[in-house]
Amino acid sequence: GAGVSQSPRYKVAKRGQDVALRCDPISGHVSLFWYQQALGQGPEFLTYFQNEAQLDKSGLPSDRFFAERPEGSVSTLKIQRTQQEDSAVYLCASSFLRTGNTGELFFGEGSRLTVL
Amino acid sequence: DQQVKQNSPSLSVQEGRISILNCDYTNSMFDYFLWYKKYPAEGPTFLISISSIKDKNEDGRFTVFLNKSAKHLSLHIVPSQPGDSAVYFCAARAPLTFGSGTQLTVLP
Repeated sequence: GAGVSQSPRYKVAKRGQDVALRCDPISGHVSLFWYQQALGQGPEFLTYFQNEAQLDKSGLPSDRFFAERPEGSVSTLKIQRTQQEDSAVYLCASSFLRTGNTGELFFGEGSRLTVL
Repeated sequence: DQQVKQNSPSLSVQEGRISILNCDYTNSMFDYFLWYKKYPAEGPTFLISISSIKDKNEDGRFTVFLNKSAKHLSLHIVPSQPGDSAVYFCAARAPLTFGSGTQLTVLP
C-alpha cells in the first residue's frame, strides 16, 4: 500500500488477555518504530528495528511487551497479560533512513487498545 | 523526565491571524527538530523540520524558528486557516522524542 498500515484499528481486551498488533510499513522502508500514545500525551518511543534487527528496545515498559520483525518488513507488537495501564494508541512508523538519521517518519493510523 | 515540552495544551486563533506554537527542550545534544500535525483518528503527519545549524526554516505558510541558546523552538502559521485545526507535536531526534502536543483551533 501507499502508507503505513496497522491492524486492528481498535482492540478491546480483558485484563490478563494477550494481544498482538500488526504493522505493515511502507514498502522498502528500512526503519520501523513503535510508539505508545496515552490519552492527552505525545507518542512515547517503545522500540526500533532496522530491517529485521531490533536495535533499541529501551522504551518497552515491561517484559510483557515484545516486538518482532522477522523478515524485515511486517512487524508485530505483542502484549502479554494485558493490564489496564496498557490502554493506549499504539503507533507504528517507518522511514527509509537508517539509524542516526531518523528524519521524517511516516506514521500509521494507530491501533487503539482498551483493556477492561 | 520530559526532554521535549509543550507547555500550552491548547491555542485558539482567528482565521487569517498568526498561530505561534512553542516548544522547549532540555537535551543540548538534540540536533534535528520536527513538527508533526495530527488529526483525530489519524497518525501524525510530518509538517516541517529544522537542523540545529539553522535558526529558521520556511515552507509556505509554515515557519519554524530555533533558538539554541534558549533551547526553544516555535512554529508560526500565517495566515491560519480552519483546516489547520489539529494537534501539533514538536519532536527531536533520535529516536524521535515528542512533546505532549498543542491543540490548535482556528476559528472562522
